[in-house]
Amino acid sequence: AQSVTQLDSQVPVFEEAPVELRCNYSSSVSVYLFWYVQYPNQGLQLLLKYLSGSTLVESINGFEAEFNKSQTSFHLRKPSVHISDTAEYFCAVSDSPTGGGNKLTFGTGTQLKVEL
Amino acid sequence: NAGVTQTPKFRILKIGQSMTLQCTQDMNHNYMYWYRQDPGMGLKLIYYSVGAGITDKGEVPNGYNVSRSTTEDFPLRLELAAPSQTSVYFCASSKASELFFGSGTQLSVL
Repeated sequence: AQSVTQLDSQVPVFEEAPVELRCNYSSSVSVYLFWYVQYPNQGLQLLLKYLSGSTLVESINGFEAEFNKSQTSFHLRKPSVHISDTAEYFCAVSDSPTGGGNKLTFGTGTQLKVEL
Repeated sequence: NAGVTQTPKFRILKIGQSMTLQCTQDMNHNYMYWYRQDPGMGLKLIYYSVGAGITDKGEVPNGYNVSRSTTEDFPLRLELAAPSQTSVYFCASSKASELFFGSGTQLSVL
């Protein structure tokens, strides 16, 4: 069985400050890791994913996450946040690199609130 | 780009009523899903389908039914609405490891 823990339910941060959203997972098999973002009144959309290769993965809007096998973590970071980054962020783990939502386990989400 | 379209966006039901949440996708994805999202609980998978004519239960299927007669459509049926089914419902489809979500249906059962 696999599980995901997002310890912080809410993270307030000032604009242009750095932020880290924490994600820890447990799994007895190979893991494939994802971050999804949900903007207000919208569905989730994929932000970035780790399937294989480099343990550091980046999104097009400046977020990055590092797969750390020894610490079973996949924390999401951004060096300087913008007001438009205000959203809820979900970490997810799968035991299949090509499997769909039936293979995914989502965390409970972290609400990032960027303040001026 | 339509993607995944859900209707309605909002609905209020009385206890015991029934309704169907509609979902259609235009990306020709074989896999489709229904999730419910409750505050602080993340997303829970209700049902999924790997192709037309094939459906399977997810983590929380009780009180719901689905059908998949075409690749495009995947409706979710609530037969006897209960207050515990008050939630936001998301339909999604997937290509490989990426899910594409609709904008959700906010359902209240009173």
